[in-house]
Order: sequence, then C-alpha cells, then structure tokens
Amino acid sequence: EPEVTQTPSHQVTQMGQEVILRCVPISNHLYFYWYRQILGQKVEFLVSFYNNEISEKSEIFDDQFSVERPDGSNFTLKIRSTKLEDSAMYFCASRVAGMNTEAFFGQGTRLTVV
Amino acid sequence: GQQVMQIPQYQHVQEGEDFTTYCNSSTTLSNIQWYKQRPGGHPVFLIQLVKSGEVKKQKRLTFQFGEAKKNSSLHITATQTTDVGTYFCAGLLGNKLVFGAGTILRVKS
Repeated sequence: EPEVTQTPSHQVTQMGQEVILRCVPISNHLYFYWYRQILGQKVEFLVSFYNNEISEKSEIFDDQFSVERPDGSNFTLKIRSTKLEDSAMYFCASRVAGMNTEAFFGQGTRLTVV
Repeated sequence: GQQVMQIPQYQHVQEGEDFTTYCNSSTTLSNIQWYKQRPGGHPVFLIQLVKSGEVKKQKRLTFQFGEAKKNSSLHITATQTTDVGTYFCAGLLGNKLVFGAGTILRVKS
C-alpha cells in the first residue's frame, strides 16, 4: 500500500540552528500539508501546498518557516533559527485532487530543540 | 478565524460502556473527516461524511453529519481496549484540512 514517508524520524537540534524535515508524499497526490503536534496537544495546520505553491498557511507559519518541492517527489519543511517552542511532532500529509478525498499522514518527525 | 471545535477533551470509560465525541464548526463544511491516532502514532483516516444529515457505520462506530453541515459526532458502542487513542474530526475549509482538538479515549478493562 502506498504511504507517505518522512525522514528523519527524530531530529535533535540546538536552539538557533536550521532544520529541514523531509517528506515523500504518495506519488499521484497533488495536495501536500505540514502539521505540527506539540506533545499531548491537537494537530495544528501549518501549510498546504498545491501546484508548486503555498495555497494556505496558518498564523503559526511565519517567516521562520518555508516549504519546497525541490524535485517533484520530495516535500520539505525548513525551520530557520529554531526555538525551544518549535519542539513538536511534525506530520506531513498528502491527498489526491478533489473535494472529498482523505489525507494520508506520514509517521512524523519528532523535533527536539535543546 | 475558521475553527473546528471538539468536545470532550478527554473521556475515560469502563470497557463495554459507550463513548461519544462531538465536533462543531464555525462555518459550513464541504465534508467532515474522522481520524484516529493511537498513542505514539500518526492520524489514520477512519471515514468521511459529505452529505447533509449523513450517517455511516463501521462495526461499533457510528458517524453523523449534521443537517447544516456544521456539526458531527462519532459514537462508539460497547468500547473495547483496542479503541483507546485520540479521535479527531477534521473539516475541509478551502484547501485546508482543519483538525479539532481531539478527544482522548481511555478504556478501563
């Protein structure tokens, strides 16, 4: 069964460093998402990406964050100058085009900022 | 902003008891989706409701979508220990899939 894959599974970084979280969405999917889940809390929308550009972003997704689809298969989330409060699980998700389609989630990357 | 609200935040039930979680949106939704996240896992799609007033069943789980397409519920009959986890509703608002805060279900055997 096709699946969304995320790497790494766990990333530890020092405060102020930049991190890149990687995702490979399912191949025929056209909508891509990043979500964040702070331990024990809700799944928070960060950004959606369609047709090689950001289609929506939340207030959390400020200038510190950026997304890229560099090569047609990978979908990356870059966090510049990480802060302690960026520590969370980051989930990538993708879905096919159309209104009534489910999102498939990757296993997540646990980011720990120390 | 556009929100999807979910209650209760937490429910602890005895095995065999029923469980219900409720979801409300501030705006009309194109559809409502339900996901389950096991402890330490990632959200996994359960079901999608599209039509006003729609009811769908998956074994002991019953999902409803309100007539105004602004609210939804998930009901589990006779909970089992395998039902533990967090249940999220999610509404499609434009291209954005917005999640409720989730309801954590714990089942005592």
